[in-house]
Amino acid sequence: LAKTTQPISMDSYEGQEVNITCSHNNIATNDYITWYQQFPSQGPRFIIQGYKTKVTNEVASLFIPADRKSSTLSLPRVSLSDTAVYYCLVGADYGQNFVFGPGTRLSVLP
Amino acid sequence: EAQVTQNPRYLITVTGKKLTVTCSQNMNHEYMSWYRQDPGLGLRQIYYSMNVEVTDKGDVPEGYKVSRKEKRNFPLILESPSPNQTSLYFCASCSTGVDEKLFFGSGTQLSVL
Repeated sequence: LAKTTQPISMDSYEGQEVNITCSHNNIATNDYITWYQQFPSQGPRFIIQGYKTKVTNEVASLFIPADRKSSTLSLPRVSLSDTAVYYCLVGADYGQNFVFGPGTRLSVLP
Repeated sequence: EAQVTQNPRYLITVTGKKLTVTCSQNMNHEYMSWYRQDPGLGLRQIYYSMNVEVTDKGDVPEGYKVSRKEKRNFPLILESPSPNQTSLYFCASCSTGVDEKLFFGSGTQLSVL
């Protein structure tokens, strides 16, 4: 599993767009990029996954540049309920283990 | 409904009294894993399993045991719990493929007195 680096924490205000960048310089050819969201005392939950370019779903967008050495999770118009820890994981293929980094603690302020 | 079920949700016990936290998934996933989460330390992996009868240590396996006799179940066993094992525990599972997504249980808050 490729090592990832994310900011430890970020602050935002309600209604703003939030972008969280994850660096993964040693990403392998077959690796996918997956983001999880965790609320206090709950298990992480999947929010978005991508391989290249841009992926969008009802919750977020994921931007991946051509070299794939980083990715950016974009949360449009955040609300207080988006306050959570966001984890970036990079990996793929059968037999991979899943190890989480410290994640990014996002605080949305009113 | 696809889910990972952990029991119990809360558990208070005393030092040295053996306990088991159960984990079951209904998605026919090959991969299952246990994590513990402590304030300021994030999610740390205890054990994981790639399939039935295949288990391996994670980053913090000391004081824990696991077994994987059936595909759906992956219990976490604390033979002699100690206060430093007081933590929030999560079980997770996923399928195997190029786009695996982890599914997590609701967590077990364990207090060892």
